[in-house]
Amino acid sequence: GQQVMQIPQYQHVQEGEDFTTYCNSSTTLSNIQWYKQRPGGHPVFLIQLVKSGEVKKQKRLTFQFGEAKKNSSLHITATQTTDVGTYFCAGQGGANNLFFGTGTRLTVIP
Amino acid sequence: GAVVSQHPSWVICKSGTSVKIECRSLDFQATTMFWYRQFPKQSLMLMATSNEGSKATYEQGVEKDKFLINHASLTLSTLTVTSAHPEDSSFYICSAYTGFATNEKLFFGSGTQLSVL
Repeated sequence: GQQVMQIPQYQHVQEGEDFTTYCNSSTTLSNIQWYKQRPGGHPVFLIQLVKSGEVKKQKRLTFQFGEAKKNSSLHITATQTTDVGTYFCAGQGGANNLFFGTGTRLTVIP
Repeated sequence: GAVVSQHPSWVICKSGTSVKIECRSLDFQATTMFWYRQFPKQSLMLMATSNEGSKATYEQGVEKDKFLINHASLTLSTLTVTSAHPEDSSFYICSAYTGFATNEKLFFGSGTQLSVL
């Protein structure tokens, strides 16, 4: 079945350092979405990428969708303590199902 | 924006009892809703796709007789954990699309923490 792998599982960074999480799908995706889950909360939608090679930015966050539409990355520049949480990618295949990556738990050390 | 309401937020029950979790789309119609399960510090795992007016589609390894899904209307889907056991203790979360276009977002309910004693 469809699988979405995400690395790393955990990342500890010093405040101000950059952070990147990567997502890979075993199949070509129609789109990929990114979610952030704060500790104790539920996932909140961040962004959706649809086009091959697409790059989108939200302030310090940069999202990329690979040319083959099978991988994606989220990069945070100069992390802040408010960035703490688990970042999930979620790939959508042919049907409407959304398959989540395993998530990357980000800890930012002040 | 679209709102998905999930109830209850948490529930504690005795082993052997059944628990019903409701997921409502408050300001839009959701033909399809999704049910996920999340163990501590792990990813959301898709359990089943709930389709209004038809049977749910379950993911491999999910017992359909254990996790009953009913999607009786365009705004309500329910997940019933039947004869719950301690291993069913988990965080259950539902979600729904506002539509079927590729640019539609997925909105999540706030989740239900189930603890089976």
